[in-house]
Amino acid sequence: DGGITQSPKYLFRKEGQNVTLSCEQNLNHDAMYWYRQDPGQGLRLIYYSQIVNDFQKGDIAEGYSVSREKKESFPLTVTSAQKNPTAFYLCASSITGQGGTQYFGPGTRLTVL
Amino acid sequence: GNSVTQMEGPVTLSEEAFLTINCTYTATGYPSLFWYVQYPGEGLQLLLKATKADDKGSNKGFEATYRKETTSFHLEKGSVQVSDSAVYFCALSSLSAGNNRKLIWGLGTSLAVNP
Repeated sequence: DGGITQSPKYLFRKEGQNVTLSCEQNLNHDAMYWYRQDPGQGLRLIYYSQIVNDFQKGDIAEGYSVSREKKESFPLTVTSAQKNPTAFYLCASSITGQGGTQYFGPGTRLTVL
Repeated sequence: GNSVTQMEGPVTLSEEAFLTINCTYTATGYPSLFWYVQYPGEGLQLLLKATKADDKGSNKGFEATYRKETTSFHLEKGSVQVSDSAVYFCALSSLSAGNNRKLIWGLGTSLAVNP
């Protein structure tokens, strides 16, 4: 089955540690996205990538980093510089030029203790 | 700039009631419009979409019509079920600088359906 996988579903880290969230897709989509979701704030775009080896900052990129070395993979690193990292993180992908329809993974809930 | 405004929740209905969740937008050009649904603890699923004025998107008994004259894309369902309890997001597809396409999101509307 084609789809987007995010792992793990729940992640706990101590304050001051960097942590990397995994996102893999086998849909052959060119574009991939990372969102952060907090209660009552909807979805906020962190980073996105339209093609391999290229990515752009979204609305709240500070304290996060990404890489896009393979079409299938778009890992997100939450660094110690992110002041309030506890949130639900969602990865999505889309076909470029398909009117913007995005398909989402199941999400990773990160809790920083 | 482009934006999406959807009605605040929570919305609480009894089973078999009629549902309307309002969504209005501000956009330049001719964006595509979307409704996504998020069940508790899960990612978002595309519910329906419309790509041009007067298009009607429909899926699982839900419908929404792209109204350019009122810049609206209201979500409706004639008879809700307990299993429809979720958060519903309205979104529009916006072409940003560098020809990159992004989704602009509403804040979501929580729906609870009681038996």
